[in-house]
Amino acid sequence: AQKITQTQPGMFVQEKEAVTLDCTYDTSDPSYGLFWYKQPSSGEMIFLIYQGSYDQQNATEGRYSLNFQKARKSANLVISASQLGDSAMYFCAMRELGLQGAQKLVFGQGTRLTINP
Amino acid sequence: EAGVTQSPTHLIKTRGQQATLRCSPISGHTSVYWYQQALGLGLQFLLWYDEGEERNRGNFPPRFSGRQFPNYSSELNVNALELEDSALYLCASSFPSGVTEAFFGQGTRLTVV
Repeated sequence: AQKITQTQPGMFVQEKEAVTLDCTYDTSDPSYGLFWYKQPSSGEMIFLIYQGSYDQQNATEGRYSLNFQKARKSANLVISASQLGDSAMYFCAMRELGLQGAQKLVFGQGTRLTINP
Repeated sequence: EAGVTQSPTHLIKTRGQQATLRCSPISGHTSVYWYQQALGLGLQFLLWYDEGEERNRGNFPPRFSGRQFPNYSSELNVNALELEDSALYLCASSFPSGVTEAFFGQGTRLTVV
């Protein structure tokens, strides 16, 4: 079974600083995908970035980048130049491919990020 | 382009009643996923529908069920509601194969009293 681990329950960062949110995963499937989502207090899950297991380059989307280290099975999210609006819960997730192609996203427990002015 | 929409936003039911939650996927997406997020917890996978069929199911009792309509919208039904069913229910949609992105709706907050 696949598993996602986020070891940082909470993080506090000063505005404009860069922040790294940790995510490690465990899978025996050679083909998988890794996702990061942001969940503000409103509850909506906002898709941030995706990394495929065969992608050679680290994924980037604006201020978000994914530090993908396949051998270490880590997929850390890096937010550059943090803003007050970045304060939210952040979830790492992995696409799990089950029997007969059944798919689902498996989520970590999340990291609550607080940006201080 | 409209995103994933869920209705209602909030729902209050009494124990033993039934709740029906609805989800409309992004245009072109045929897969719909349902997740439960209890207060302070992560997301637990409930159901995956694609092309009108249930493709995968999480570790939830049979009183959690749903369906997907020909227009790919979906309903989640929870029968015989229990207090611990109180949670945020999130729906996501994607293309069916090789999921490289899945977009979520704003969720339905179900409160069972």
